Amino acid sequence: DVKVTQSSRYLVKRTGEKVFLECVQDMDHENMFWYRQDPGLGLRLIYFSYDVKMKEKGDIPEGYSVSREKKERFSLILESASTNQTSMYLCASSPGNRNEQFFGPGTRLTVL
Amino acid sequence: GEDVEQSLFLSVREGDSSVINCTYTDSSSTYLYWYKQEPGAGLQLLTYIFSNMDMKQDQRLTVLLNKKDKHLSLRIADTQTGDSAIYFCAEGGGSYIPTFGRGTSLIVHP
Repeated sequence: DVKVTQSSRYLVKRTGEKVFLECVQDMDHENMFWYRQDPGLGLRLIYFSYDVKMKEKGDIPEGYSVSREKKERFSLILESASTNQTSMYLCASSPGNRNEQFFGPGTRLTVL
Repeated sequence: GEDVEQSLFLSVREGDSSVINCTYTDSSSTYLYWYKQEPGAGLQLLTYIFSNMDMKQDQRLTVLLNKKDKHLSLRIADTQTGDSAIYFCAEGGGSYIPTFGRGTSLIVHP
């Protein structure tokens, strides 16, 4: 059974903290994605990666960075968390030649 | 640019049919997808249709595609309370990044 896992389901951090969100997929997919989901705004793409060590900015990259050192792992980093980064974060992966995405369960991040 | 539009809410009675509509703008779309998101969970691929098809049926789900009008619909027959969720329409064109709609919240009441 194909799987995308995220390191935490719920996370509470304080303003200014550095936050790491980890995502792992076991499908040998080339492409990985980080989205945030907010009520009424749908999914917004933060960053994506189409290969190891490669990364591309999505629609809302400000305040975030990413790391992809291994094919199966894609990390989202909030260098200095702010309250407006309170959101649901969703990781997804897809094979190189298809845009059908497989999603993790999400991490609900609260920044106080 | 590419855009996918869907209404935000739909309310139906248990046992009725639900129809969720979606319009898109990218005429090069190859696949069109429906995802389901249950409360507190990630998105799960429900079904998809290839752009050269008009209809696809899978048990209680029927997907209709009008390519001329760039209109996609998802019909759920005999809607149950377990169908309450957010349904996302997405279109996949030339790139490997699909464009998602904002999601339709389906509320099923007794």
